[in-house]
Amino acid sequence: DTAVSQTPKYLVTQMGNDKSIKCEQNLGHDTMYWYKQDSKKFLKIMFSYNNKELIINETVPNRFSPKSPDKAHLNLHINSLELGDSAVYFCASRRGEKLFFGSGTQLSVL
Amino acid sequence: GQQLNQSPQSMFIQEGEDVSMNCTSSSIFNTWLWYKQDPGEGPVLLIALYKAGELTSNGRLTAQFGITRKDSFLNISASIPSDVGIYFCAGHPGNTGKLIFGQGTTLQVKP
Repeated sequence: DTAVSQTPKYLVTQMGNDKSIKCEQNLGHDTMYWYKQDSKKFLKIMFSYNNKELIINETVPNRFSPKSPDKAHLNLHINSLELGDSAVYFCASRRGEKLFFGSGTQLSVL
Repeated sequence: GQQLNQSPQSMFIQEGEDVSMNCTSSSIFNTWLWYKQDPGEGPVLLIALYKAGELTSNGRLTAQFGITRKDSFLNISASIPSDVGIYFCAGHPGNTGKLIFGQGTTLQVKP
């Protein structure tokens, strides 16, 4: 009964590949987010969707394309992966002012 | 863009000691949140603060929303080994819908 679940937990891939990370929330929230946590643990917002509509796009390279098939799902597709994309990616959903995070996807680009 | 300055960056303390950390901003925030992140997990919400001067507790944790609305403090009393982790302050500037995070305070507790 995990509230915000994302898969996979670990993703190791070669430079230039395309990969996807999936996120689902069963909290009934309308708004979902993707955050990137770098090696220094800094959490930076990437995207936000409200009821399947993109509402925040923080100047992320267009190799990153979020997709929200319904308000319970927000997936992240990354094209042409680069070394600098290596990080932990967190999905979150929002109720009021509070964000609830998934357990993260550690992406390693070799 | 807006930034939150969190300090200290790291702390190494003895079990039983009290801990204080704080977060400041150059602009006014409407909400302050404090999160804890354990290794391999996502941030978990500890305390949410909604108005200037508010003081809220959650067990051994106490957080305050600064009067100027530009800072917040988190105190942990009588620390225990399971308090180890990274603590983040976060805030909503205005009504942007963005939750912005501080750089984090890494806490280590020596038994």
